[in-house]
Amino acid sequence: GQSLEQPSEVTAVEGAIVQINCTYQTSGFYGLSWYQQHDGGAPTFLSYNALDGLEETGRFSSFLSRSDSYGYLLLQELQMKDSASYFCAVSGDSGYSTLTFGKGTMLLVSP
Amino acid sequence: NAGVTQTPKFRVLKTGQSMTLLCAQDMNHEYMYWYRQDPGMGLRLIHYSVGEGTTAKGEVPDGYNVSRLKKQNFLLGLESAAPSQTSVYFCASSDPGLNYNEQFFGPGTRLTVL
Repeated sequence: GQSLEQPSEVTAVEGAIVQINCTYQTSGFYGLSWYQQHDGGAPTFLSYNALDGLEETGRFSSFLSRSDSYGYLLLQELQMKDSASYFCAVSGDSGYSTLTFGKGTMLLVSP
Repeated sequence: NAGVTQTPKFRVLKTGQSMTLLCAQDMNHEYMYWYRQDPGMGLRLIHYSVGEGTTAKGEVPDGYNVSRLKKQNFLLGLESAAPSQTSVYFCASSDPGLNYNEQFFGPGTRLTVL
């Protein structure tokens, strides 16, 4: 089985940088993904890390350390529209085709 | 290109009633998934399918059945609804040829069981 830990809530101000951490315990691991969900709507894919290191996509970056079973999502130049829930998800425990999601981190961006 | 669609969007059932949730995708994806999302619980996988005619159990399959008779459709059935099945249900699909970790989600079905 798998377990993922991420903070339940993070607050920040516009223009700031915020890091959302995710630690995982798995019996098998292929990679770590991040998803964003606004107001209970459809989750949307942000990033995927299969190898150690940093992946950058615009204002968002994602990092993975396989040896530490740890990853994070870094959001820069925060905007009000970044207020949402962010989920980390791992693949590899129940076969390569499925994801196991963390409970999510609610990010609140204030002016 | 509608992506992933789900019907219905909302539904209220009485305990013991049955219903089917329909998921359709027009991206020709091989993989399809059904999740439920409860407050504070994140997304939990109910059942999934890696191709037409195949299904498999996820983390929380009890009380649900699924069918994938056509590649573009994935049906989730509740035979005898219980209040514990009150939840938001999301369907998703992905393409193993590209990045199966990038799942495309539907807008969700909000189900209340009284």
